[in-house]
Amino acid sequence: QVQLQESGPGLVRPSQTLSLTCSVSGASVSSTSYYWTWIRQPAGKGLEYIGRIYASGSTSYNPSLNSRVRMSLDTSRDQFSLDLSSVTDADTAVYYCAGGSAYTGGNVFDYWGQGTLVTVSS
Amino acid sequence: EIVLTQSPATLSLSPGERATLSCRASQSINRYLAWYQQRPGQAPRLLIYDASNRATGIPARFSGSGSGTDFTLTISSLEPEDSAVYYCQQRNSWPLAFGQGTRLEIK
Repeated sequence: QVQLQESGPGLVRPSQTLSLTCSVSGASVSSTSYYWTWIRQPAGKGLEYIGRIYASGSTSYNPSLNSRVRMSLDTSRDQFSLDLSSVTDADTAVYYCAGGSAYTGGNVFDYWGQGTLVTVSS
Repeated sequence: EIVLTQSPATLSLSPGERATLSCRASQSINRYLAWYQQRPGQAPRLLIYDASNRATGIPARFSGSGSGTDFTLTISSLEPEDSAVYYCQQRNSWPLAFGQGTRLEIK
């Protein structure tokens, strides 16, 4: 069973970079069977797709965030990470990491972390 | 960019009743639609993918249908634990997108 767990600071100052890590168990982030994704949800609102990374290191980002997003893999630790730069209070949200099967192009999210709340505030 | 519109915004039904949730796409997405359930304080859970395929471990009372621009999630006989927000999500075109959600309340 694939399990994911987010970690990172709960508070980020405006204009700084938000950095989160997702630890994966039950699968390897270097496996070609999965894509690894970040999704966020502002309080009381819907889900927003941020982007994804594949075993090869290739990435795809939502154009609405593209210029501020960077994702990476740490295969030695079975982790993948999100960096979101120049944050504002609009970036305050619960951030989820998720995994999707390569069968669906990684575009359906079978596995989810529990989510971590990140607040942008001075 | 494809926009998904879900209706109704809120649905209030009793246990044992049938729930019908709708998701409409701004242009054809073939059958590339998924449904997720999000209970309060929890992460979303995949219910249905590619319009009508139940995900692993999902009870048979959940079913999906539709193609093109109009899709439906049906819960045949509601149970108290079905109280949640339900989201649709398309994977036909980039960027991937979610609907705004339908809140299902069990009386």
